Amino acid sequence: GENVEQHPSTLSVQEGDSAVIKCTYSDSASNYFPWYKQELGKRPQLIIDIRSNVGEKKDQRIAVTLNKTAKHFSLHITETQPEDSAVYFCAAREGGSYIPTFGRGTSLIVHP
Amino acid sequence: EAQVTQNPRYLITVTGKKLTVTCSQNMNHEYMSWYRQDPGLGLRQIYYSMNVEVTDKGDVPEGYKVSRKEKRNFPLILESPSPNQTSLYFCASSSVRILGRGRGYEQFFGPGTRLTVL
Repeated sequence: GENVEQHPSTLSVQEGDSAVIKCTYSDSASNYFPWYKQELGKRPQLIIDIRSNVGEKKDQRIAVTLNKTAKHFSLHITETQPEDSAVYFCAAREGGSYIPTFGRGTSLIVHP
Repeated sequence: EAQVTQNPRYLITVTGKKLTVTCSQNMNHEYMSWYRQDPGLGLRQIYYSMNVEVTDKGDVPEGYKVSRKEKRNFPLILESPSPNQTSLYFCASSSVRILGRGRGYEQFFGPGTRLTVL
């Protein structure tokens, strides 16, 4: 099955800085890569996703890049704000499955 | 309002006392799954279901049971809970169809159930 590695486990930045979270996956047949944000005490919610036929996708201050050859994808958050503080999960969905495999999560702390 | 609901939200129980955590979705989603979340281990899938009467094991199924008799409901059953099942549990559902706004197969999570087994 799919295996997703996520780094770092904790990321601390100053407000206004950029943050980058990286994930690698094992199954070259995976074709869908979502990112979820989980605020403290809340449920995970999808913030952005990318499919394997696209190399980059942006949504305001967040962007995701995908390198299929290297089997890794990254979340980029620019101009971080305290409300970006949360746990972020990457995931990869195998071609024959509709349920993604999640990484272990990154705790992002944005200091005012 | 489209949502996934779970009950109870919090539960403290004792070893060996059978319990059920209910999960219901009103979005007519085919896929439903259960995850447990533990510090440092992320979201680990327990069981999933691709449709009514179709269930399969995830990564950590030991000690759990599920059933999918109706499309909207997917209860998680702990026949004989043990302290190592103390965790935060999430139910999630998703559609087979690609959603609008360029979204893929988005998983919609319930609010979570905090279970403590003494």
